[in-house]
Amino acid sequence: SQQGEEDPQALSIQEGENATMNCSYKTSINNLQWYRQNSGRGLVHLILIRSNEREKHSGRLRVTLDTSKKSSSLLITASRAADTASYFCATDRAGANSKLTFGKGITLSVRP
Amino acid sequence: SQTIHQWPATLVQPVGSPLSLECTVEGTSNPNLYWYRQAAGRGLQLLFYSVGIGQISSEVPQNLSASRPQDRQFILSSKKLLLSDSGFYLCAWMTGFSYEQYFGPGTRLTVT
Repeated sequence: SQQGEEDPQALSIQEGENATMNCSYKTSINNLQWYRQNSGRGLVHLILIRSNEREKHSGRLRVTLDTSKKSSSLLITASRAADTASYFCATDRAGANSKLTFGKGITLSVRP
Repeated sequence: SQTIHQWPATLVQPVGSPLSLECTVEGTSNPNLYWYRQAAGRGLQLLFYSVGIGQISSEVPQNLSASRPQDRQFILSSKKLLLSDSGFYLCAWMTGFSYEQYFGPGTRLTVT
């Protein structure tokens, strides 16, 4: 079964606006990661947050993790047309080292 | 720096024909290696992973097999392709010290 479930499935915003994407998971995790995929390309790692962390920043990205709710959010501030892509959360389940389970992804469209 | 290569980039094969996709990693030693398949508009399905030469773990029973003949080479094969084998195949690597995965550019396989 899918460990990570993102929502919304698709998001369309205007350039300059903030984009918030959510991910929920089912079992205990060691880490949660977010990846980006441009159309027809491989995935690119964006950010990793450990289970003992609550918030992490990287440039225009802000990730939060709530292990009590088994959920995470990815915020992209001041979005750009180049942020248009699919975004995936991936979890590394406790006791299942070396393997990641990916959600189905969120398609983000940023209108110029 | 580390790089990951996949080839071919695209492939069109008839049903019943064999398959061989290759993935190689440069700039690292003893990586964990992964094969994923991504159906159109869907998330990633882990097919196989390997933590060392000759060590292959299969995640989903299917028409495919994998081999790791060298430390930084990972091969995905099939003796007879099915229509359902069509998809986007991604290879990824990870060190034993980090949970971040790094993806190749992918192979688009169409079985006709």
